[in-house]
Amino acid sequence: KAGVTQTPRYLIKTRGQQVTLSCSPISGHRSVSWYQQTPGQGLQFLFEYFSETQRNKGNFPGRFSGRQFSNSRSEMNVSTLELGDSALYLCASSFFPPETQYFGPGTRLLVL
Amino acid sequence: EDKVVQSPLSLVVHEGDTVTLNCSYEVTNFRSLLWYKQEKKAPTFLFMLTSSGIEKKSGRLSSILDKKELFSILNITATQTGDSAVYLCAVGNYGGSQGNLIFGKGTKLSVKP
Repeated sequence: KAGVTQTPRYLIKTRGQQVTLSCSPISGHRSVSWYQQTPGQGLQFLFEYFSETQRNKGNFPGRFSGRQFSNSRSEMNVSTLELGDSALYLCASSFFPPETQYFGPGTRLLVL
Repeated sequence: EDKVVQSPLSLVVHEGDTVTLNCSYEVTNFRSLLWYKQEKKAPTFLFMLTSSGIEKKSGRLSSILDKKELFSILNITATQTGDSAVYLCAVGNYGGSQGNLIFGKGTKLSVKP
């Protein structure tokens, strides 16, 4: 069974731009969560989607948004990028919340 | 606010040593405790613990949960260089502004030949 996939794997952007990251969950999984990982803060929860509905949202500014499609694939968007947004963005999927989450390889975003 | 604290933050050992990694938590609506291993990529799932006192084992790795004292340990025996990684502890709850999984900062394990 294929694992969680994320695209792109690496991304370089400049301040002020916006970016869209994509996540395809494990087949059959309907819940997708997004995390931001930085050396100083560790893994921080961004948001969680289940059946196209956002169930939970972390303490991030409104520049961070996401959505989930009917096939459970999810996207997250960051607008008006700041230097501090440079991080590894991880997506995780599970059958239902709150079950064991399985992580994708991540998208490494560098903001210059 | 719910929190998960791991100790030590980093650890250097030699091949063949046994290590114990610690995870303590203060989480309302506790559901489970999970351990993940992260090398230079995505965290990979190791164990999920829900009941106190029942050890879970996988090869040289084992883990146990104490729900009364609110902690878990992850043991690795006969360490190998391939065990070098960051080990993450996460506590599952029923959702909220911190999500369904609340992560500790991790323990960075370095195993020297």
